Amino acid sequence: DTEVTQTPKHLVMGMTNKKSLKCEQHMGHRAMYWYKQKAKKPPELMFVYSYEKLSINESVPSRFSPECPNSSLLNLHLHALQPEDSALYLCASSQDPRDRTDTQYFGPGTRLTVL
Amino acid sequence: GENVEQHPSTLSVQEGDSAVIKCTYSDSASNYFPWYKQELGKGPQLIIDIRSNVGEKKDQRIAVTLNKTAKHFSLHITETQPEDSAVYFCAAAGGTSYGKLTFGQGTILTVHP
Repeated sequence: DTEVTQTPKHLVMGMTNKKSLKCEQHMGHRAMYWYKQKAKKPPELMFVYSYEKLSINESVPSRFSPECPNSSLLNLHLHALQPEDSALYLCASSQDPRDRTDTQYFGPGTRLTVL
Repeated sequence: GENVEQHPSTLSVQEGDSAVIKCTYSDSASNYFPWYKQELGKGPQLIIDIRSNVGEKKDQRIAVTLNKTAKHFSLHITETQPEDSAVYFCAAAGGTSYGKLTFGQGTILTVHP
């Protein structure tokens, strides 16, 4: 089973709202990722967690706040977003954070619209 | 850092024809090259990958070839079917960009019945 699940599927929020995206995997993977994908573009890496610790932040604005409560869960907390943050947010996981060539498995994504 | 170029950006074929998508990469240290298929409204799904110790890999109608000297790799889909219609992304990893997949810009494949 190579399933990564994400909730919610769709989210509409105002610029003053606070919301969270959730990602879960039960494959025993110890690396988890957040990507942002705009229409007709490839995914762009936002954050990488290795063994539940933040290892890479690709200069993401502080209105995006990631959290990894345990090895199976990854959250992305959203606050004071802008309309240009509207996108598909993808979660991915891979087995071994020490392996730069480990396969990444993606979830279905959360379609976020900021009004 | 790594840079991946992907061509063509759109590809239209008739059902039963073959489709070829090509990618080049810049970091000679990269040694892992996955291909993802993304259907509308879904996340990218890994369809095949290749590592630098192999020149070619095949899985039913899908094959990938790698030329490390020229730093390019290609996806070949034979006997295309309408359900192959999707966006295809190549990617490279394992080089100097730690923990990061560098994606190509994507190819929109349309298979006409």
